[in-house]
Amino acid sequence: KNQVEQSPQSLIILEGKNCTLQCNYTVSPFSNLRWYKQDTGRGPVSLTIMTFSENTKSNGRYTATLDADTKQSSLHITASQLSDSASYICVVSGTGFQKLVFGTGTRLLVSP
Amino acid sequence: DGGITQSPKYLFRKEGQNVTLSCEQNLNHDAMYWYRQDPGQGLRLIYYSQIVNDFQKGDIAEGYSVSREKKESFPLTVTSAQKNPTAFYLCASSVKQGLAGGMGGELFFGEGSRLTVL
Repeated sequence: KNQVEQSPQSLIILEGKNCTLQCNYTVSPFSNLRWYKQDTGRGPVSLTIMTFSENTKSNGRYTATLDADTKQSSLHITASQLSDSASYICVVSGTGFQKLVFGTGTRLLVSP
Repeated sequence: DGGITQSPKYLFRKEGQNVTLSCEQNLNHDAMYWYRQDPGQGLRLIYYSQIVNDFQKGDIAEGYSVSREKKESFPLTVTSAQKNPTAFYLCASSVKQGLAGGMGGELFFGEGSRLTVL
C-alpha cells in the first residue's frame, strides 16, 4: 500500500534554532517528492519538488534532501523565524497517472 | 495576479441541505482538483478534472458532485448524502495531469473553504 509517514507529529523550537522534519514513503514506482507549507486555515504552498535524481534542493532557509534508495526525505529549516510556524506536508507522486499520496504533516511551532 | 480563488471562506450547512463551494483559477491550468482535509489525516482526493466537460471520482467521491463547464471553474457540491461533511475543503490546479510524473507537476492550492454542519 502506498503510504507517506511524517515525523515528528508536532515540534516546538525556539526562534533562531534549526530543525529537521522527516518523511518516509513506500510509494512505488516513484516519480517525485514535494514539501508544502500550510499556515493554519490556509491552503498549502509549495516549498520544493524533488525528482529521483535530485539529492538536495534549497529554497531560502529550507533545504530538502532525498534518498530514493531508502525512500526517505528530510526538510531542514535553518535559523527559524516565528513565521515558520505552520504545518509541513510531505507529498509523494508515483509515475504515470497515479494519484498523489499525502502525509499527515508535521506541525511546527516556533516560540519567541 | 494569477491564482486560485475559493469562496466562501466559511460556510454553515443545516442537515439535509446541499451547498456549493466555488473554485476559480486564472492560471490557464488544464487540471483541477478538490481535496478534503480533516484533522490528523492527509489530504484526500474527492474529484479531479483534466479537461473541460470531463471529471473523475477520487478516493472519497460519495456524497459529492462537480461540474467543469469552463476551464477556469470547478465548483463542488456537497450533497445531503454526505454524512460527515464538516471539513476543510481545498481546491487545486496544475498545468496538466500526468506530466512530470503523477498528477501534472506542481499543485497550486486555493485558500480553502471551511464547511460546518449545524
